[in-house]
Amino acid sequence: DIVLTQTPLSSPVTLGQPASISCRSSQSLVHGDGNTYLSWLQQRPGQPPRLLIYKISNRFSGVPDRFSGSGAGTDFTLKISRVEAEDVGIYYCMQATQFPPLFGQGTKLEIK
Amino acid sequence: QVQLVQSGAEVKKPGSSVQVSCKASGGTFGTYSISWVRQAPGQGLEWVGRIIPTLGVVNYAQKFQGRVTITADRSASTAYMDLSSLRSEDTALYYCARDDNAMGTTDSWGQGTLVTVSS
Repeated sequence: DIVLTQTPLSSPVTLGQPASISCRSSQSLVHGDGNTYLSWLQQRPGQPPRLLIYKISNRFSGVPDRFSGSGAGTDFTLKISRVEAEDVGIYYCMQATQFPPLFGQGTKLEIK
Repeated sequence: QVQLVQSGAEVKKPGSSVQVSCKASGGTFGTYSISWVRQAPGQGLEWVGRIIPTLGVVNYAQKFQGRVTITADRSASTAYMDLSSLRSEDTALYYCARDDNAMGTTDSWGQGTLVTVSS
């Protein structure tokens, strides 16, 4: 089975500064159809998860452009160019390339 | 965009069963799959299973095989998750979510249903 490992597990960031979260897979997430089904979700306190990025680097509708995704194969990164107060929450990577879909353990973003 | 509204919180005894519903509005129900994901208190996200209503196809995570049943009523635009033989470790928020095949992820989530298992 695939294992997704996120680092760091906690990220204290100063408002206006950048933040970066890594997601590493134990196996390549390239699907047989050529796509890589790695997405990023944000869960604000007390809220359900919300889709931010799909297929590594595509921002979902309504997601601010300060969020960006990159990577390939087994290593992926979510970057926030300038952290705002509303970005506080837990960020999960998720793979849907192999069955069953799997989430990383989550990274808690907090303001210093 | 599809909106998903789930049934209310449940308190159940160990060994009993629970059913959680998820009603969709917007979009054409059945043309996409609905996944169920749970989150134990203070923990991460765990995929439970999914259904493709138009095909009647259901997939479950191995961990829940034999205890979970996911169904859908297309006429009511509603998906259901039944979990049996409940134990305290099943206490969690249960979410339904819409899967988008093209994006290969879940793009709409219900508000969550808290299931508490306690004697």
